[in-house]
Amino acid sequence: GEDVEQSLFLSVREGDSSVINCTYTDSSSTYLYWYKQEPGAGLQLLTYIFSNMDMKQDQRLTVLLNKKDKHLSLRIADTQTGDSAIYFCAESIDGGATNKLIFGTGTLLAVQP
Amino acid sequence: DTEVTQTPKHLVMGMTNKKSLKCEQHMGHRAMYWYKQKAKKPPELMFVYSYEKLSINESVPSRFSPECPNSSLLNLHLHALQPEDSALYLCASSQGTRFEQFFGPGTRLTVL
Repeated sequence: GEDVEQSLFLSVREGDSSVINCTYTDSSSTYLYWYKQEPGAGLQLLTYIFSNMDMKQDQRLTVLLNKKDKHLSLRIADTQTGDSAIYFCAESIDGGATNKLIFGTGTLLAVQP
Repeated sequence: DTEVTQTPKHLVMGMTNKKSLKCEQHMGHRAMYWYKQKAKKPPELMFVYSYEKLSINESVPSRFSPECPNSSLLNLHLHALQPEDSALYLCASSQGTRFEQFFGPGTRLTVL
């Protein structure tokens, strides 16, 4: 199947680190993405990682990829109240001539002041 | 210009109405997408246009009709919708279908 799984909810205190996990299904996915969605808004691309990489760091964001276990994680350092949102991972599925994104179930991150 | 715009922001329509959603990007992207998103769920792909040709239709009912008049514009024509079609409709674009997608803010559609 094409189910990409995430835990539903994560609550952290401001200033702590947050780690959001994702388990994907297609071992041939070339790119994996993290998107952020604030209430009533569209999706904002945060970062992505190519499948031949283990880690990517971008300011407060660190992405870790374990291809063997098909596990992806997003670590947010020094989490702020403005980071409160739903976070979606997504894998790019090779559809022949056209790739498409399959999104995870989403994790609601709540940051307590 | 690095954004995807969508109009209208909100739309309320009856089941017998005909309306259209519009999406525009000026990033030179050649792939454009329509997604449907229900509350607390991930976006679900509806259509993909690549170089202004429809390349994916995810078995969407014919009451949704996409149109790509040129490389910058994508429309979604709506006719005889059902209340269960109420959702956030998101447009996205990318350089090509193997590249990262950038999303618009969405149109919140309510069907009465």
